[in-house]
Amino acid sequence: GDSVTQMEGPVTLSEEAFLTINCTYTATGYPSLFWYVQYPGEGLQLLLKATKADDKGSNKGFEATYRKETTSFHLEKGSVQVSDSAVYFCALPRNSGNTPLVFGKGTRLSVIA
Amino acid sequence: DTAVSQTPKYLVTQMGNDKSIKCEQNLGHDTMYWYKQDSKKFLKIMFSYNNKELIINETVPNRFSPKSPDKAHLNLHINSLELGDSAVYFCASSRSGGAHGETQYFGPGTRLLVL
Repeated sequence: GDSVTQMEGPVTLSEEAFLTINCTYTATGYPSLFWYVQYPGEGLQLLLKATKADDKGSNKGFEATYRKETTSFHLEKGSVQVSDSAVYFCALPRNSGNTPLVFGKGTRLSVIA
Repeated sequence: DTAVSQTPKYLVTQMGNDKSIKCEQNLGHDTMYWYKQDSKKFLKIMFSYNNKELIINETVPNRFSPKSPDKAHLNLHINSLELGDSAVYFCASSRSGGAHGETQYFGPGTRLLVL
């Protein structure tokens, strides 16, 4: 079935460091791909998405490019801030009607000043 | 202006009790979901509803009974609570539940602790 594999954390970075969180997927066809973020004590928010191959989603300085050749959707940010500390989830819609999301296991990012 | 709201935010209860969690969305969406997030942050679908009708029941024990009185509300009732039910429960909604690239909007979560 459809699945997402995400690098496991925790990831600890200094402020202004470069961030990469790897995500690869297994799916039939070419699903939309999503990154959601969960700040401490809060619910999930959509961070960015891409709906077709080679699309780049971007938001708040984060970017991810849909790579069908490598079935990947890695999340990157050039310069992280303390406020980026959160858990990041890669996700895709399961291949069925009224499609729920299949999530990766989440990557906890801690940014220290 | 909250798009997807849940009540209560925290729920602490004893084993064997029955409790309910309520969810409302004001986005005019047709599809609503319940997800469970365990202690390791792993998120998994439990149920989905489209226009008040159950579409997906992901082999959840029948102690869990969702109810959708209208398409803006999806409540979750849990009977005979067990220790393993302790988790964060997220409600979510989406416009139609199947369109390509459709975003799901999540509520703030209900943190359930069963003692």
